Amino acid sequence: SQQGEEDPQALSIQEGENATMNCSYKTSINNLQWYRQNSGRGLVHLILIRSNEREKHSGRLRVTLDTSKKSSSLLITASRAADTASYFCATANFGNEKLTFGTGTRLTIIP
Amino acid sequence: DGGITQSPKYLFRKEGQNVTLSCEQNLNHDAMYWYRQDPGQGLRLIYYSQIVNDFQKGDIAEGYSVSREKKESFPLTVTSAQKNPTAFYLCASSVPGTGTKAFFGQGTRLTVV
Repeated sequence: SQQGEEDPQALSIQEGENATMNCSYKTSINNLQWYRQNSGRGLVHLILIRSNEREKHSGRLRVTLDTSKKSSSLLITASRAADTASYFCATANFGNEKLTFGTGTRLTIIP
Repeated sequence: DGGITQSPKYLFRKEGQNVTLSCEQNLNHDAMYWYRQDPGQGLRLIYYSQIVNDFQKGDIAEGYSVSREKKESFPLTVTSAQKNPTAFYLCASSVPGTGTKAFFGQGTRLTVV
């Protein structure tokens, strides 16, 4: 079963604009992570936010987590053409090492 | 270089044949995973292993089998019982207890012909 559902499924913006994508999940989590996937390649870990954190930054990335709403958002500021990729949220549960992925947002940056 | 190596990158299989996908890691990670990704879709967990000689079924284990005889290796066999095996297969590893940050291989694209 898919724990996370990303929204929107696809997003196209002009280079330099900010991109925001959202993730909703269903059960209690230990942490939530965001990954990036270039076409036909493996996933690359971007950022992890723990269940007791509300916001986290890493370079041009800003992640928020609202456990009461079971949702998270990923903001990419000052987008670049190289940010074109699919972005996935993933949740880790307490008590096991199972990592469950959402359906992804396909981001296209228009030069 | 440390990392995860999946081979082959592309694989073709005739219907009714079993095929084994290789996944090797030199990151000294205890946990390893296999995911399946269909076009335009997210990742679905097939099997995962938290330690050598132990593994658990994921959400779509039917038609697949795995083994974990060595820490660095976690091969996936796609059996003839898997009715729709054409997909992109991704292997990952992590260090248990670190919040399960995963490192991924570059994937194997399996096509049934």
